[in-house]
Formats: sequence, C-alpha cells, structure tokens
Amino acid sequence: QLQLQESGPGLVKPSETLSLTCTVSGGSISSSSYYWGWIRQPPGKGLEWIGSISYSVSTYYNPSLKSRVTISVDTSKNQFSLKLSSVTAADTAVYYCARQDYGDYPILYYFDYWGQGTLVTVSS
Amino acid sequence: SYELTQPPSVSVSPGQTARITCSADALPKQYAYWYQQKPGQAPVLVIYKDIERPSGIPERFSGSSSGTTVTLTISGVQAEDEADYYCQSADSSGTYVVFGGGTKLTVL
Repeated sequence: QLQLQESGPGLVKPSETLSLTCTVSGGSISSSSYYWGWIRQPPGKGLEWIGSISYSVSTYYNPSLKSRVTISVDTSKNQFSLKLSSVTAADTAVYYCARQDYGDYPILYYFDYWGQGTLVTVSS
Repeated sequence: SYELTQPPSVSVSPGQTARITCSADALPKQYAYWYQQKPGQAPVLVIYKDIERPSGIPERFSGSSSGTTVTLTISGVQAEDEADYYCQSADSSGTYVVFGGGTKLTVL
C-alpha cells in the first residue's frame, strides 16, 4: 500500500523560506506513470494546488505561487520536496503531498494517494 | 484565472439523495474529480474521470457530466457522509490544476 508522509518545520518566520519533504513508501517515485504534487489548505478554507513534478523533473506550478515555489525530486531517497520563499501569514496552512495520475500531452488528472498533512504556521 | 464553482452548502435528511454541482467553462474538455474531506483528515478521492468510482468507495456515490456542469450524487445519504466535498479539474491547457471552493454536506 502506497504511503506518503510530509515532514518539515511546523513554524516559519515571515520572509523566510518554507521547506517540506514528502517521503514515499510502498512504491517508487521513479514510476513514469505518475506526477507528485503539493496541495495546501489554510485553516477553515478550501484546497489550493501548489504544483506537481514528475520523476523526470517536469514541473507545473500554480501561476499565483510560481514566482515563490520550487518543487524538486530525489529519486535516490524516494522523496520530493517543496520550497516556498518569502512567506507571510497568508501561507499558514496544512500542506499535503499526494500522488497524481496524468494523461497524454500531459494533462494533470486526480490525486489518489495523500499524506496526512502537516500544519505550517508563519509567525515571528 | 480559472475557477470551479460549487454551492457552499447542501443539506439533506438521511436516506435522501444529495446532489452537489461544480461548474466551469473547460469541463466539457477536461475530466472532473471529487474528493470527500472529513474534519482533521486528508481528502479522499470518491469519483475520478467524471463518473468512475475508486475501489472501496460505496456504490451510493456516483458522478455525472453535462456540458459545463458536473454533479456528484450521493444516493441514500448516511450520517457518515457528512463532510466537505471538493471538485477538481484542470484548465484547457491541462496543466493548471484547480479545486472548487468546496461544499459542506450536512445530514439533518
């Protein structure tokens, strides 16, 4: 059974960089059949897609966050990571990592396996 | 920016049918997906590619599509179905992923 687990600091200061890692177990991140994505959810609000990456390092980002986001993959550790720079209180959220199916061209499809999520608070 | 529009809330009595809609211009060209999220938990995929149901999801969950609107239908609603439901799709490029604002389903 595929499992994903987010890890990283739960508290980040304003203007600093948020860094999270997602460790994948029970399957290989090098599979060509999937993308790997980050999604966040501010307290009491809805879901927001941050971006997705393939094992071959093809990346797609939410245009509203693109200037501040970097997603990378480490196939040797079966992990992928998120960096969000210049954070503010508006970046306080539960951050989820998830596996994403995709189609030709590519077209990004659905998220079928999710991590449990990790709360990151931006505060001094 | 591209948006998916959902009603903020839907209320039904146990045993009735709940219908949650999601509307957007590109839905005739892109698949839609539905997630169920209960408090404090990660979202769970309940419908993919408009009408397909993942294994382990009860048969009372179904999806349909008509033009620019997709619908999640829950037949014979149970108390355990009370949750937030989100639709998700992509814009016409296929590489900009969007979630709807979410619909809170209340079982009266």
